[in-house]
Amino acid sequence: AQSVSQHNHHVILSEAASLELGCNYSYGGTVNLFWYVQYPGQHLQLLLKYFSGDPLVKGIKGFEAEFIKSKFSFNLRKPSVQWSDTAEYFCAVGLLSNTGKLIFGQGTTLQVKP
Amino acid sequence: EAGVTQFPSHSVIEKGQTVTLRCDPISGHDNLYWYRRVMGKEIKFLLHFVKESKQDESGMPNNRFLAERTGGTYSTLKVQPAELEDSGVYFCASSQETGRIYGYTFGSGTRLTVV
Repeated sequence: AQSVSQHNHHVILSEAASLELGCNYSYGGTVNLFWYVQYPGQHLQLLLKYFSGDPLVKGIKGFEAEFIKSKFSFNLRKPSVQWSDTAEYFCAVGLLSNTGKLIFGQGTTLQVKP
Repeated sequence: EAGVTQFPSHSVIEKGQTVTLRCDPISGHDNLYWYRRVMGKEIKFLLHFVKESKQDESGMPNNRFLAERTGGTYSTLKVQPAELEDSGVYFCASSQETGRIYGYTFGSGTRLTVV
């Protein structure tokens, strides 16, 4: 069965540190890839997405992610985190063979210390 | 543009009772999705409506869950009778596109606690 794995469940960083959250998926076909973020008390918001083309995609708030097809990975990065980035981050995969459902990873809680 | 609205935001019910969750998608969005996150686990797909039709209900856990979308506007998800393992956060999402996933707009979720 298809699955998405986020390796870091809880990450604690100081402000200005660099961030990389890992995401791997298991599916051999064509996929769309997403990172969502849920800030405390808010709804899930789309950070960035990849459909095709340049494997390095840029999202909101300075986030970027790189799709490496050979590694089935879509890691999220930010060069310098801020306290306001404290949130839970979800990687998700959409399979083009189905009707639109997403398969999510377990989520990574990021805590940024001021 | 109003977002996806879910009601109630929290619900605490006793085992064996019935609960109905409601989702109002963004106006004009034909696609409506229900997801659930049980504590500490991943967000899991429950079902997908296109207008009033169930396109995919492969994620519905059992027949205690009933989803409807009469008229193709808002949707309800009823759990009857509720069990302890039904506790979690139920998310609704909507999107305009069909046949391609461009990313949804999610509601804030309903936190259901069954005691």
